[in-house]
Amino acid sequence: NAGVTQTPKFQVLKTGQSMTLQCAQDMNHNSMYWYRQDPGMGLRLIYYSASEGTTDKGEVPNGYNVSRLNKREFSLRLESAAPSQTSVYFCASSPAGHYGYTFGSGTRLTVV
Amino acid sequence: AQSVTQLDSQVPVFEEAPVELRCNYSSSVSVYLFWYVQYPNQGLQLLLKYLSGSTLVESINGFEAEFNKSQTSFHLRKPSVHISDTAEYFCAVSERSQFYFGTGTSLTVIP
Repeated sequence: NAGVTQTPKFQVLKTGQSMTLQCAQDMNHNSMYWYRQDPGMGLRLIYYSASEGTTDKGEVPNGYNVSRLNKREFSLRLESAAPSQTSVYFCASSPAGHYGYTFGSGTRLTVV
Repeated sequence: AQSVTQLDSQVPVFEEAPVELRCNYSSSVSVYLFWYVQYPNQGLQLLLKYLSGSTLVESINGFEAEFNKSQTSFHLRKPSVHISDTAEYFCAVSERSQFYFGTGTSLTVIP
């Protein structure tokens, strides 16, 4: 099925551990995004990539790094996880223009 | 910067009753408007969007939203809700290639 695929779906980390969240889209979209969703706070943009080879900080980039590996893939890395990074993470992609986002199904991350 | 306000964090409504989920945004300068729906433990899905043209837009499952430029609003309505409409609804605004989300409204349909 065409769309945005995120892996893993669930993950538990210990404080200080690192991990990479993977995201891939097969719709030939130019732009890709990483959001976190927390209760009562809606969606907050962590990083985005307007096109292959570029990345920019969003609203809450601290503690995260990203890599736009190619047009299809956009990964999010936590170098040293903290309990404050417990959240649900969503990857999204969009074509050029104002056509809205396509979201992945999310990664539920718990840091203990 | 743009801000999106969804005043109602939770809306309970009885099955087959009408519902309105409110959305206001801060700036009317050339914006594009969206509603997304999130079912439990799933990602967000595009419900409907306003890009241009008619200010009333409809979705395939009976929701509609009206773009009101003077009131900077994009309220979502459905005349008769179903149990399956229970979900979280997010309003979003695109301005100058930036996307802004509201904090969401949890719609609970009561049998």
